[in-house]
Amino acid sequence: QVQLVESGGGVVQPGRSLRLSCAASGFTFSYYGMHWVRQAPGKGLEWVTVISYDGSNKYYVDSVRGRFTISRDNSKNTVYLQMNSLRAEDTAVYYCAKGGRLSSSHIDYWGQGTLVTVSS
Amino acid sequence: AIRMTQSPSSFSASTGDRVTITCRASQGISSYLAWYQQKPGKAPNLLIYAASTLQNGVPSRFSGSGSGTDFTLTISCLQSEDFATYYCQQYYNYPGTFGQGTKVEIK
Repeated sequence: QVQLVESGGGVVQPGRSLRLSCAASGFTFSYYGMHWVRQAPGKGLEWVTVISYDGSNKYYVDSVRGRFTISRDNSKNTVYLQMNSLRAEDTAVYYCAKGGRLSSSHIDYWGQGTLVTVSS
Repeated sequence: AIRMTQSPSSFSASTGDRVTITCRASQGISSYLAWYQQKPGKAPNLLIYAASTLQNGVPSRFSGSGSGTDFTLTISCLQSEDFATYYCQQYYNYPGTFGQGTKVEIK
């Protein structure tokens, strides 16, 4: 069965960096796009970024473009989210999610999330 | 970015009720719409994709309809385990925007 396990969350000061990882199993990782979606405490879901199956295409929501970078290592079945210049408004649970083989594909599986708290 | 607007934001219902949640896109998205259910402290769970296709393992009391800009999620006979928050998401283009959510509470 599909499993997505996030790690790397924690408490970080504003302006600092953090890297999240998501280890995938139960499917052929290199065939599928991967997303990060976040949810601030008590708020709704916000799509953050996606990377294509081969890493050649990446898209970001405006609020993180230039600060966050998504990448993947298909040899390790892992997707990453490098978050720089963190702000208080980046505080959220970050979910890793599996997409489809096409860019216009829905998310079908989600990890359990990792909490990032940006606070001094 | 395409804006997704759900209505209502919340409502109360009873077990056995038929309930409908609406999602409207700010521009046409064909059928590139998914519905997710989220329970407190848990990750979202896919219910429906391509506006009306039921994800494997999801009970048949859930159904979706619509295309273009207007979509609905219907639960034909509300069960106790269905009390949760529901989100629509468009994947017509990026950013893949979500609706603000609809919380279904017990009356």
